[in-house]
Amino acid sequence: KAGVTQTPRYLIKTRGQQVTLSCSPISGHRSVSWYQQTPGQGLQFLFEYFSETQRNKGNFPGRFSGRQFSNSRSEMNVSTLELGDSALYLCASSLQGGNTGELFFGEGSRLTVL
Amino acid sequence: GQQLNQSPQSMFIQEGEDVSMNCTSSSIFNTWLWYKQEPGEGPVLLIALYKAGELTSNGRLTAQFGITRKDSFLNISASIPSDVGIYFCAGPSNAGGTSYGKLTFGQGTILTVHP
Repeated sequence: KAGVTQTPRYLIKTRGQQVTLSCSPISGHRSVSWYQQTPGQGLQFLFEYFSETQRNKGNFPGRFSGRQFSNSRSEMNVSTLELGDSALYLCASSLQGGNTGELFFGEGSRLTVL
Repeated sequence: GQQLNQSPQSMFIQEGEDVSMNCTSSSIFNTWLWYKQEPGEGPVLLIALYKAGELTSNGRLTAQFGITRKDSFLNISASIPSDVGIYFCAGPSNAGGTSYGKLTFGQGTILTVHP
């Protein structure tokens, strides 16, 4: 069974630009969550989608947005990039996304903002 | 909000030694998870614990869900070089509702194994 696939793996942007990251969940998984990982803040939850609906959201500014398609694939977008947005962005999928907490992570997209 | 305090922050051990790390919280968690992250990879789920007092093994790994539901520990026996990585404890953040994909993570324990 294929795992969670994230693209691109690495990207470099400059301040003020915007970026779109893509995530394909494990086949059959309908819940997709996004996390930001930085050395200073660790792993922080961005948002979760299920059946194309955002069910949960972390404490990030409105520049961070996402969406989910009918095939459960998800994208996240960061607009007006800031230096502090440099991070590893991780996507995770699960069957239902409920309280069991068993999330399966992709390898991440490493964003560098110059 | 909920926080997980993980210790130690780092460990340097010799191959063959046993390793123990733990995670504590000021609030109750109904599920405890242990993940491992290797360089350039995403976290991989090692063990999931669902019941207070539960002791679960996965090969050389053993984890326990504390009776108070506020702590958990992970043991690695007879460490080998491929055990190197960052180990995270985590739990669903469901204060006041359903967590829906939101996990609270500890700060991580960096494990280095010398051959």
